[in-house]
Amino acid sequence: DGGITQSPKYLFRKEGQNVTLSCEQNLNHDAMYWYRQDPGQGLRLIYYSQIVNDFQKGDIAEGYSVSREKKESFPLTVTSAQKNPTAFYLCASSTSLGGEAFFGQGTRLTVV
Amino acid sequence: AQSVTQLDSQVPVFEEAPVELRCNYSSSVSVYLFWYVQYPNQGLQLLLKYLSGSTLVKGINGFEAEFNKSQTSFHLRKPSVHISDTAEYFCALHNDYKLSFGAGTTVTVRA
Repeated sequence: DGGITQSPKYLFRKEGQNVTLSCEQNLNHDAMYWYRQDPGQGLRLIYYSQIVNDFQKGDIAEGYSVSREKKESFPLTVTSAQKNPTAFYLCASSTSLGGEAFFGQGTRLTVV
Repeated sequence: AQSVTQLDSQVPVFEEAPVELRCNYSSSVSVYLFWYVQYPNQGLQLLLKYLSGSTLVKGINGFEAEFNKSQTSFHLRKPSVHISDTAEYFCALHNDYKLSFGAGTTVTVRA
């Protein structure tokens, strides 16, 4: 079945550690996105990528990094520079401009 | 710059009553508009989309939305809601590969 897979579903890390969230899609989509969701704030765009080996900062990129070495994969690293990393993270992909975005089931990151 | 504003953060409604969720957008160029629904601890599912053509768009589960360019709005409606429509709803704008979302509207349907 085609889709977008995020792993793990739940992730716990100690403060000061970097952590990488996985996002894989087999939909042959060009564009991929990472969002952070906090209660009452909707989805805020962290990074997005239109094509392999290229990505752009979204609205809240500070403290995060990404790579796009393969079309299917768009991992997100939450670095120790992110002041408040505990949140629900959603990955999405879409075909092109105007295309419907498909979402993964999300990763809930808790930093203790 | 582009932005999406959802005017209502919470909408309580009785079962079988109509509901309208309001969305305004801001963009300097042509846009593509979407409504998504999210159930607890899950990803988002597409309800409907406006790309071009007819300004009245019909989606899944009986939802529809009307695109109004002069008022820069894209309001979502359903004539009769069910308990199962309890969820969070997001309006989104897609422009130049950047997909931006509003803050969301929580719909709570009561019997």
